[in-house]
Order: sequence, then C-alpha cells, then structure tokens
Amino acid sequence: AQSVTQLDSHVSVSEGTPVLLRCNYSSSYSPSLFWYVQHPNKGLQLLLKYTSAATLVKGINGFEAEFKKSETSFHLTKPSAHMSDAAEYFCVVSPFSGTYKYIFGTGTRLKVLA
Amino acid sequence: GAGVSQTPSNKVTEKGKYVELRCDPISGHTALYWYRQSLGQGPEFLIYFQGTGAADDSGLPNDRFFAVRPEGSVSTLKIQRTERGDSAVYLCASSLMGTDSYEQYFGPGTRLTVT
Repeated sequence: AQSVTQLDSHVSVSEGTPVLLRCNYSSSYSPSLFWYVQHPNKGLQLLLKYTSAATLVKGINGFEAEFKKSETSFHLTKPSAHMSDAAEYFCVVSPFSGTYKYIFGTGTRLKVLA
Repeated sequence: GAGVSQTPSNKVTEKGKYVELRCDPISGHTALYWYRQSLGQGPEFLIYFQGTGAADDSGLPNDRFFAVRPEGSVSTLKIQRTERGDSAVYLCASSLMGTDSYEQYFGPGTRLTVT
C-alpha cells in the first residue's frame, strides 16, 4: 500500500534561518511526489513536483526538495525562511496505479518567528 | 485563466438533510477529483472522474455519498442523510490527463457544517 509520513506536525523557525520539513513515503511503484502549501483560508498551491527526472527539484518561492530513493524520503528545504512562509505544508505521493489519485500526509504547520 | 471553482464556499445544514456541492474544473481538464479534509488532517481521496465516468470511487465512505459529472465538465458531490461526522472541507481538483506530472489544481473548497 502507498503512504506518506510527515515526521513533524509543527515546525518553528526564526525568520532568515533554514527550513526543513521531512517526508517519507512508501510506494510499490515508482511514484510521483509533490509538496503543496495551504495558507489560511486559501486553496492548496503546488510548490514543486518530482516525476522521475532530476532528483533535486526546485520549486516556487525558493523551496526545493531532494528525492532519495534509498531513504524513501522527499524532504522540503529552504535556505532562509520568510514570514510569508508560515502555512501548512503537505507532502503528497501519487503512485502510478492508473488513477493518479493523491495520497496526502497529515501536514506540517510551519511557524516563522520574527 | 480561471482556476477550479467550487460553490458554495460554505454550507451549513441540519443532520439528516441532503446537500449538493458543485465543482467547476479548469476548462479542458478531463480528470476531476474530490477530496475531503477534516480538521487537522490532510485531504483524503473520495472519487476520481475521467471524462464522464467515475473511474475510481474507492474513497467514498458509504452509500450516502454520490458524485456525478454528466457532461464531463462540472461535477456535483451529493450527500444524503447528512451526519455530523460529514462536517469537513470538501475539495475539488482537476488535471489535464496525458501530461507527465499528474499535477492537480485545487479549488478553494466548500466548508460543510452539519449541525
């Protein structure tokens, strides 16, 4: 069965410091992996996606993630946090099973301290 | 261009009532998905349409839930005999099949509250 685990439900960082949001996945197939962000009262927005091309993926707003098959991980990073990064982040796996449905992690709430 | 739209944005209903939630996908997107997001959780898959047909409805929790997409565009999620446990945000997403990324574009959601 396919699943995704976000290892931290809450992460707090100071503005200007690095961000690390951790995600591990389980998939029987070669999956597509995504990170989405959800700001309060806003819709889900795609940050970046991995679809079996380059293992280091760059996304919007300075975020990037590295696909590590040996570790089954897809951690999200950003060198320097900004106050506007405060939001809920979801790691998503889309196993290649024919339906392309998303399987979401439980989310990580990022808090950025001034 | 226009994104995915959902109506209503908020719906309050009494236990036992029937509700319909509407999703208008991005024009030209053949795939449409419904998800449910309970408080403090990630969205959970409900049903997937490819064109007019429900290709995967394995996420529907029980037979009170039903969805249609009669013309391959707009979709309606229907919930009969609502229960308080149905309270959640219902998200719709659409995708342009045939791409290499399966990226889904999400609407703002409908917040359903069952009293």
